[in-house]
This record gives sequence, C-alpha cells and structure tokens, in this order.
Amino acid sequence: NAGVTQTPKFQVLKTGQSMTLQCAQDMNHEYMSWYRQDPGMGLRLIHYSVGAGITDQGEVPNGYNVSRSTTEDFPLRLLSAAPSQTSVYFCASSYARGVNEKLFFGSGTQLSVL
Amino acid sequence: KQEVTQIPAALSVPEGENLVLNCSFTDSAIYNLQWFRQDPGKGLTSLLLIQSSQREQTSGRLNASLDKSSGRSTLYIAASQPGDSATYLCAAADSNYQLIWGAGTKLIIKP
Repeated sequence: NAGVTQTPKFQVLKTGQSMTLQCAQDMNHEYMSWYRQDPGMGLRLIHYSVGAGITDQGEVPNGYNVSRSTTEDFPLRLLSAAPSQTSVYFCASSYARGVNEKLFFGSGTQLSVL
Repeated sequence: KQEVTQIPAALSVPEGENLVLNCSFTDSAIYNLQWFRQDPGKGLTSLLLIQSSQREQTSGRLNASLDKSSGRSTLYIAASQPGDSATYLCAAADSNYQLIWGAGTKLIIKP
C-alpha cells in the first residue's frame, strides 16, 4: 500500500525556472492538499482540492498553480521559481474534507531555489 | 487569527522518563486538536486527534489532553524510548476545516 507518493525528493532550481512537484495517492481520497514547511514555522497551506476538477487557495497560494484532473493526482506547479520558495513541500490527503478526518502525508520534496 | 505555539522548540531527556509536550492556541473556538510525529526525511504521521467535545485521547504510551478554556493541549509520553525521538507537531482545526500548525518540538531521547 503506497499511500501518498511525492516526487522528486530533492530539487534545485535557478530563479525563474519552472517545475512541477508530483503527488499521487492510491487510497481513493477526495481531499488533497499542498503545504510548505519553513524552519521555525508551522506548516502553511498552499492549495487544496476537495475532488477532481475542484481546487481552492490556501494561506500562501501566490506563485503556485494546481489542477486536479483525476482523484489520484494533485500536481503543484511553480511557474517562475523565486528564492522565497525554497522550502520543504508536503502533499497530504484524507478521505474527505472534514473536521475529524485523518490526514496522510507524503515524504516531502526539499526544494532549493538559487 | 488563530496562532499555535509549541514551547520548547527542543527537548532532550534520558530514556525511560515520562515527558510532556505542550501546545497552546489563542482562539478557543477550535473543532479539534491533532498531534503529529515527523521523522527526518519522512512525512508526518498522525498520532492522536482530540475532538472539541473530548478532553483526552490515548494510544499506547501516548495520551493527549485538551483544555479549550485555557487554550492548551499536552501530549504525554510514558516510559520514553530512543525510538520516540522525532519532531512532534500540533495543529488546531478552525471553523473552515483548516489546520493551523505549531512549529513543533524536537524531542531527543538519550539511551
């Protein structure tokens, strides 16, 4: 049972480059989300989706795009990378967007923007 | 705006000790309080979820309590083991189902 799979694990970009962080889950979860984790700070929500074809912004959406064409996949796109986007990125999913739903996390992508 | 704080940022204790990790929040109107464990290079693992109507939850050697009136939650770890070494994060769910996260407490259990 793979759970939530994120790729790549590490990435180095130059300022202005674009890339896509991949996230896939095999638990048939409707809710998927992207967080970033910076040193000394709590996780911050970037974007989330409550089902295929539905996405919404979180706390820090600027500079990131998402789409949800299937239940399984929720890629995060950086259109023009900036040093401020250096962070660890986590994808998480749950059965539904509910207050008491357990969240399952991927192992993270460590991104450095030079 | 809800703020979640975890103090201390790091804690080191000898193996076998019982210990308490703290989590405080500024807005008592939460729907639940969750505790997660984060191991280096790995994702977060959900440990315990306390619904707003509950006072505590237990799983094995872990016990989490919630006091909304004082804005506090604690995670109690009994008979600590080196394998408990990790970063522990708490998160409070607001009325929009969004989780507001603390920065975590890095726990080191010394053999």
